[in-house]
Amino acid sequence: DTGVSQDPRHKITKRGQNVTFRCDPISEHNRLYWYRQTLGQGPEFLTYFQNEAQLEKSRLLSDRFSAERPKGSFSTLEIQRTEQGDSAMYLCASSLVVGGYNEQFFGPGTRLTVL
Amino acid sequence: DQQVKQNSPSLSVQEGRISILNCDYTNSMFDYFLWYKKYPAEGPTFLISISSIKDKNEDGRFTVFLNKSAKHLSLHIVPSQPGDSAVYFCAASDPNTGNQFYFGTGTSLTVIP
Repeated sequence: DTGVSQDPRHKITKRGQNVTFRCDPISEHNRLYWYRQTLGQGPEFLTYFQNEAQLEKSRLLSDRFSAERPKGSFSTLEIQRTEQGDSAMYLCASSLVVGGYNEQFFGPGTRLTVL
Repeated sequence: DQQVKQNSPSLSVQEGRISILNCDYTNSMFDYFLWYKKYPAEGPTFLISISSIKDKNEDGRFTVFLNKSAKHLSLHIVPSQPGDSAVYFCAASDPNTGNQFYFGTGTSLTVIP
């Protein structure tokens, strides 16, 4: 399977705990995106990387959210001091951008439940 | 501020008939538009796209129409099949913001056998 993978698929945590999610993009893709999706809404952009550089992070929801892509391959999204409002589906997508238009390929998501 | 809007949360269509899903946007800088299909417990799956230099793109049973003056796009599925039952999201890309996608809230399509 050469699609986008995410781990874990489900995470249940208690309020105040830190959580980290991993995304493995399609191997030849140079861009990696993180989105959040809540019930009844479309995916909401959070941040993206071009190779290992994080080019946009102003849309991260608060300073409790951070993302890394240390070697330009997999990426992690960390949420510190989780709150109940962080409960959502966290989606990762990747794309190959060589100029022009690009579709993003999504992983299955990580569903976070904060108790 | 919702820049991409899908005003119909749900749509039911008989098998074999046409399904028409609509999407409106407000940002005139959007230059690329896509439709994604999503099943429960899965991530969105790319379906079809169109750039702003075109007004129609067709792929098998799926056709996307773009009306730039009205800031409106639509997805036509002909003929509709029960397997098409899913949530459909339209998305738009702004080249000035790193091609990040702005998604609508989705339309749940049910194709009745």
